[in-house]
Amino acid sequence: SQQGEEDPQALSIQEGENATMNCSYKTSINNLQWYRQNSGRGLVHLILIRSNEREKHSGRLRVTLDTSKKSSSLLITASRAADTASYFCATDAAGYSTLTFGKGTMLLVSP
Amino acid sequence: KAGVTQTPRYLIKTRGQQVTLSCSPISGHRSVSWYQQTPGQGLQFLFEYFSETQRNKGNFPGRFSGRQFSNSRSEMNVSTLELGDSALYLCASSLAGQGIDGYTFGSGTRLTVV
Repeated sequence: SQQGEEDPQALSIQEGENATMNCSYKTSINNLQWYRQNSGRGLVHLILIRSNEREKHSGRLRVTLDTSKKSSSLLITASRAADTASYFCATDAAGYSTLTFGKGTMLLVSP
Repeated sequence: KAGVTQTPRYLIKTRGQQVTLSCSPISGHRSVSWYQQTPGQGLQFLFEYFSETQRNKGNFPGRFSGRQFSNSRSEMNVSTLELGDSALYLCASSLAGQGIDGYTFGSGTRLTVV
């Protein structure tokens, strides 16, 4: 079963705009990770945030984690056409002993 | 450093046949996890190997099996293929596995069962 659920399922924006994607999960976690996938290729690890962290940055990416609401958000600032991809959250949930993925958000950035 | 290598990239098989997929992890990574990705079900965990031992298994039938060799390379096998096995199969390597650290994925093997 899916542990994480991304919202929205699809997002379409213009270059230069910010993109925000959300992830909700069901059980307590040790960490939450975000991945990007371009058109049926392998996934690329973007960022990992641990359960005792509230915010993390990496370049144009900002991830927040609210364990009380069991949710996370990924913000991509100043989006580029090259950011067009599917974005997945994945959780290392207590009792699962593996990384469990959501179904992803498809982001389309138009020039 | 070299990334995760999956072979072959594409496969077309007939129902009832069997298939073997290969994954070479990043040098030094001892954990290899396998996932099946389909449009309907998303990414589903198949199994994880660490130092040649299967450490965890997803909810897939016994037709799906795997192994890991002493050099950490891993193979997965699907026997008696069904149409529903058509999917992108992804392997991921990591240092510790079990979701503790970030995974590095290969480009995947696209399996089509006809």
